[in-house]
Amino acid sequence: AQTVTQSQPEMSVQEAETVTLSCTYDTSESDYYLFWYKQPPSRQMILVIRQEAYKQQNATENRFSVNFQKAAKSFSLKISDSQLGDAAMYFCAHCPYGGSQGNLIFGKGTKLSVKP
Amino acid sequence: DTAVSQTPKYLVTQMGNDKSIKCEQNLGHDTMYWYKQDSKKFLKIMFSYNNKELIINETVPNRFSPKSPDKAHLNLHINSLELGDSAVYFCASSRRGLAGGGETQYFGPGTRLLVL
Repeated sequence: AQTVTQSQPEMSVQEAETVTLSCTYDTSESDYYLFWYKQPPSRQMILVIRQEAYKQQNATENRFSVNFQKAAKSFSLKISDSQLGDAAMYFCAHCPYGGSQGNLIFGKGTKLSVKP
Repeated sequence: DTAVSQTPKYLVTQMGNDKSIKCEQNLGHDTMYWYKQDSKKFLKIMFSYNNKELIINETVPNRFSPKSPDKAHLNLHINSLELGDSAVYFCASSRRGLAGGGETQYFGPGTRLLVL
């Protein structure tokens, strides 16, 4: 069964500092997609970053970047220059490739606090 | 303009009642989904529809029935509500990928259902 594990239920970072959120996943497939979603207190699920497994280059979006280690099945999220608005639940998700399923399998989330 | 909208945002009801949650997307996407987020924030896929056809039906009680009148709408009807149905229900949509799967899913604001 495909699973996604986020081993840090809670993390804290000082404003303007850098924080890394961990994610590992289990799959027998060679092609798939990985995502990080953010859920602030407003409850809205917001895409942070997306990575295709066939791409060796790590995805980046402004202050957000990933460290994708395919062999280790690891997909960590680095947030640089943390801002108060980054405080939220962060969910790592895996999506198998093929068909039209698009079934996102989520980890249990990491709650990130940002201290001023 | 709201990309993925859900109504209602909050729903409080008694055990045994039947209720519906509506979802609409104006993104022109072919695929729509329903997810359930439990009290521990864990998100799990319930259903996936592609162009009005059911693709995924995870282990969900048959009291839950999705209905897709057209590809812009995916409603969720729940019969005989139980206490354990209390959760936040998210609708999402995505394009159908060229090879299927992996397209970014855009989420609605969620519907918080409380069964008393």
